Amino acid sequence: DAGVIQSPRHEVTEMGQEVTLRCKPISGHDYLFWYRQTMMRGLELLIYFNNNVPIDDSGMPEDRFSAKMPNASFSTLKIQPSEPRDSAVYFCASSLRPAGDTEAFFGQGTRLTVV
Amino acid sequence: GENVEQHPSTLSVQEGDSAVIKCTYSDSASNYFPWYKQELGKGPQLIIDIRSNVGEKKDQRIAVTLNKTAKHFSLHITETQPEDSAVYFCAARWTQAGTALIFGKGTTLSVSS
Repeated sequence: DAGVIQSPRHEVTEMGQEVTLRCKPISGHDYLFWYRQTMMRGLELLIYFNNNVPIDDSGMPEDRFSAKMPNASFSTLKIQPSEPRDSAVYFCASSLRPAGDTEAFFGQGTRLTVV
Repeated sequence: GENVEQHPSTLSVQEGDSAVIKCTYSDSASNYFPWYKQELGKGPQLIIDIRSNVGEKKDQRIAVTLNKTAKHFSLHITETQPEDSAVYFCAARWTQAGTALIFGKGTTLSVSS
């Protein structure tokens, strides 16, 4: 398996524009997680899914952020409208079973810059 | 919710020295504590983990210790090498969420030769 695949690797956009980040989890993994990494706050959990269903989205910063998982092999994280403070590296991770039972595998991340 | 504090934020050692990174957590029900290593331009990768029924675990040059009473755990790297230079994250399983990991802010380890 190629691992968790995220696209794009880099995204530069203007404030106010819509941004969509994409993730393909490892085949067969039932859990998918979205994290945001910044220098100030480290790795923050935004939302996670189990069998395509959102389980906890309490980490989503505000209504400008939304995430979907239409099927087992694809998830999106959308920011609309984007703001400069959204600049960060966004990671997607997947695991076969719940965290603590098996390893969580991370993608290489999407570096988002909002100017 | 769960809060994980990690120290130090940066650590510089000479090749061959030992490095220690410490973390504390707030959720007394947490029972799983992994450590991830992140190299430049890559996503974090699991290097070692420990469960609450164990006090110490070792894998070659790395070891993790857990003190459940004090709610803290530590990563120990012995005989450090330049390739150990990376950002290290501790994490704790967030029991209220049931299946998510909450991470510390990371420690940037630099090993100079």
